Amino acid sequence: DAKTTQPNSMESNEEEPVHLPCNHSTISGTDYIHWYRQLPSQGPEYVIHGLTSNVNNRMASLAIAEDRKSSTLILHRATLRDAAVYYCILRDVGDTGNQFYFGTGTSLTVIP
Amino acid sequence: NAGVTQTPKFRILKIGQSMTLQCTQDMNHNYMYWYRQDPGMGLKLIYYSVGAGITDKGEVPNGYNVSRSTTEDFPLRLELAAPSQTSVYFCASTGRANYGYTFGSGTRLTVV
Repeated sequence: DAKTTQPNSMESNEEEPVHLPCNHSTISGTDYIHWYRQLPSQGPEYVIHGLTSNVNNRMASLAIAEDRKSSTLILHRATLRDAAVYYCILRDVGDTGNQFYFGTGTSLTVIP
Repeated sequence: NAGVTQTPKFRILKIGQSMTLQCTQDMNHNYMYWYRQDPGMGLKLIYYSVGAGITDKGEVPNGYNVSRSTTEDFPLRLELAAPSQTSVYFCASTGRANYGYTFGSGTRLTVV
């Protein structure tokens, strides 16, 4: 299974942009890159996903490197509500179906 | 639209007891999943289902069983509870293979 590597923790000041990196050097050509976040005491929440092109939605932007070996989740203006654990996940179809494998993610602290 | 509903929210079990964690979704999703999350860790896949009548094992299936008799429901059964099964359990669903997941709010289980 293709794996991802993320920093354990990051800090950001409120109302500043945040760039959360993810390395996935063994990504396959058909792997999508998904991002989820988990607020304290809640279930994970879908943020964004993409394949090759950069993606934008109301929550965030996803920048994917040209060789697809890394990606960056961009929160344009961090708020206190964005303090969460962010997971970068590759979709693994393999022979056993469609399921996500979560790592330990990046814990984002937003400083007022 | 309720999304993914899990019951109960909290439960304390004694060693050797059995219980069923309930998960139901009202989005007509084919794909459903059970994850567990130990303190400070990422999520680990227990079982998943790609449709009614079809289930398969994930990373950590030992000690658990599932069934999928309807599209809406995907219960997780613990037959002989052990302290190692103390965890937070999340159910998730998705409608298409590469779409984002919708997670439930979790069941916090303690085995004593």
